[in-house]
Amino acid sequence: EAGVAQSPRYKIIEKRQSVAFWCNPISGHATLYWYQQILGQGPKLLIQFQNNGVVDDSQLPKDRFSAERLKGVDSTLKIQPAKLEDSAVYLCASRPGQSLGANVLTFGAGSRLTVL
Amino acid sequence: AQRVTQPEKLLSVFKGAPVELKCNYSYSGSPELFWYVQYSRQRLQLLLRHISRESIKGFTADLNKGETSFHLKKPFAQEEDSAMYYCALRRYGGSQGNLIFGKGTKLSVKP
Repeated sequence: EAGVAQSPRYKIIEKRQSVAFWCNPISGHATLYWYQQILGQGPKLLIQFQNNGVVDDSQLPKDRFSAERLKGVDSTLKIQPAKLEDSAVYLCASRPGQSLGANVLTFGAGSRLTVL
Repeated sequence: AQRVTQPEKLLSVFKGAPVELKCNYSYSGSPELFWYVQYSRQRLQLLLRHISRESIKGFTADLNKGETSFHLKKPFAQEEDSAMYYCALRRYGGSQGNLIFGKGTKLSVKP
């Protein structure tokens, strides 16, 4: 099966600019996650979708970050305006849903953001 | 507070030596713990989870509730085990996949 697709792989912007990342999960996976991984840290959950609804966005900095999954498939994560501390790898992950063994995440390759 | 601690940033061993990657957690209740691995130029992937009590690629991990630990062990390290290893804890009250990760330990296996 095809994996979780993410784009762009790399992005360099200046602070106060905006950026958007795209994720296409594995076909049929109902649950989608965006994680932020700052250099030297483990991934940190930003937002979780179940189909097209938000399940958890408690750690999403909502003043500058937004995410959507309008049709319950692809998702976009936007940062506007970006700050230096947003430099990180943004990981998208998905999992099947409610089936047995459904707690295994499949991660994408990530989108590396550098804010200058 | 829920927390995962991996005290070693880097662990270096020789091929054939035993390896133990440490993970301690802070959690109220029954935790659900995982080890994820990222090989060079590859994606983060699940290695094993405590609930399955499985051995993957020769690695095992036992949940010790008394010591709040979930250390990853392998009796004889191989060069291909060199990678970044992350211990993760399912967030209390969170749904499946809502994980708290440690900072990771880089394992380097020398020939």
